[in-house]
Amino acid sequence: DAKTTQPNSMESNEEEPVHLPCNHSTISGTDYIHWYRQLPSQGPEYVIHGLTSNVNNRMASLAIAEDRKSSTLILHRATLRDAAVYYCILGIGSGGGADGLTFGKGTHLIIQP
Amino acid sequence: GAVVSQHPSWVICKSGTSVKIECRSLDFQATTMFWYRQFPKQSLMLMATSNEGSKATYEQGVEKDKFLINHASLTLSTLTVTSAHPEDSSFYICSAQLALEGYEQYFGPGTRLTVT
Repeated sequence: DAKTTQPNSMESNEEEPVHLPCNHSTISGTDYIHWYRQLPSQGPEYVIHGLTSNVNNRMASLAIAEDRKSSTLILHRATLRDAAVYYCILGIGSGGGADGLTFGKGTHLIIQP
Repeated sequence: GAVVSQHPSWVICKSGTSVKIECRSLDFQATTMFWYRQFPKQSLMLMATSNEGSKATYEQGVEKDKFLINHASLTLSTLTVTSAHPEDSSFYICSAQLALEGYEQYFGPGTRLTVT
């Protein structure tokens, strides 16, 4: 499985943008980049995913490097409810099989009021 | 949409007994569901892949006779922890997969199992 590397933790202030980086230098051509987050004592929550182009949804934006070896999850205006562990995961996309996700340690995002 | 529920949300059982955890996709059909386990301060670890109407596929190191998985319908998968021991105490989380582009997964809220 292709691996991802994320900082252990990051801290940001409420109502400011947050940029969460992820390195995935061994990504294959068919790997999608998925982001999930997990609040304490809850199941993970899907955030966003992409393949090559930058993606936006109501929760966040995903910026993917041109060589696809890194990506950045962008929370445009962090709130206290965004405090969670964020996981960057590579997964097989359309055309491939259905696999379980391999969770790394993720980034623990701390939001200061 | 894409809501997954789990029942129970927490359970305490005595060592040697069996516990069944249900995972349901409430507003969509899921041909594939996954079961994960998470110990305190650790990340989620995939235990098994459950496909409707067929036998589950277990990850290396997960005892299939101990963790029985049944995926009898497109909206329900169950995990039974048989002869539970204190070391099986953990947070068990299921997910259901939408077979759309990217195969995003939707997770249940988890079940906290404590074996005394």
